[in-house]
Amino acid sequence: KNEVEQSPQNLTAQEGEFITINCSYSVGISALHWLQQHPGGGIVSLFMLSSGKKKHGRLIATINIQEKHSSLHITASHPRDSAVYICAVFSGGGADGLTFGKGTHLIIQP
Amino acid sequence: DSGVTQTPKHLITATGQRVTLRCSPRSGDLSVYWYQQSLDQGLQFLIQYYNGEERAKGNILERFSAQQFPDLHSELNLSSLELGDSALYFCASSAYQGARGDNEQFFGPGTRLTVL
Repeated sequence: KNEVEQSPQNLTAQEGEFITINCSYSVGISALHWLQQHPGGGIVSLFMLSSGKKKHGRLIATINIQEKHSSLHITASHPRDSAVYICAVFSGGGADGLTFGKGTHLIIQP
Repeated sequence: DSGVTQTPKHLITATGQRVTLRCSPRSGDLSVYWYQQSLDQGLQFLIQYYNGEERAKGNILERFSAQQFPDLHSELNLSSLELGDSALYFCASSAYQGARGDNEQFFGPGTRLTVL
């Protein structure tokens, strides 16, 4: 079973700071997802990666398959970025769905 | 708005009872996934259906069951409820078949279940 570790668990930063959230997994994967969960509970899919790097607005996600590691970066952070960011992986092969990290709780202060 | 709808938003019930959670996928999506999010376990994959058939099974208890109907909506049935079943239950949909995780999933707003 894949073990997914996220760091940090909690992060408080000032508006405008560059944010990095890390995700490591134990077993090779076919895809990695970054999800955003707002205080109201809703979940939004931000990125799905199998290699390289993706960018959407101020968000950038990278993955290093050899090192079994992914990072989510937020540039010019804003209070509206405050949310829980969750990493999820799919190992492929077996029919066992996504395995989730415990999430990083991000607070951006104005 | 993801296009995925879930009803009800909130559900409060007692131990031993049975409840049904409903999910309607995005228009055109054939796959529906169910997830449970509890405070101690985080998000866990329960089960996936594709076009009416079960495709993948995760940490779903025997007291829980699901199905997907011809109109593609799905229901998650939880029976003999216990206090520990209190959680947020999400469904998600995607356009792709199988148990593949390499496709984007669109999440519904969730149903918050409280078992007293």
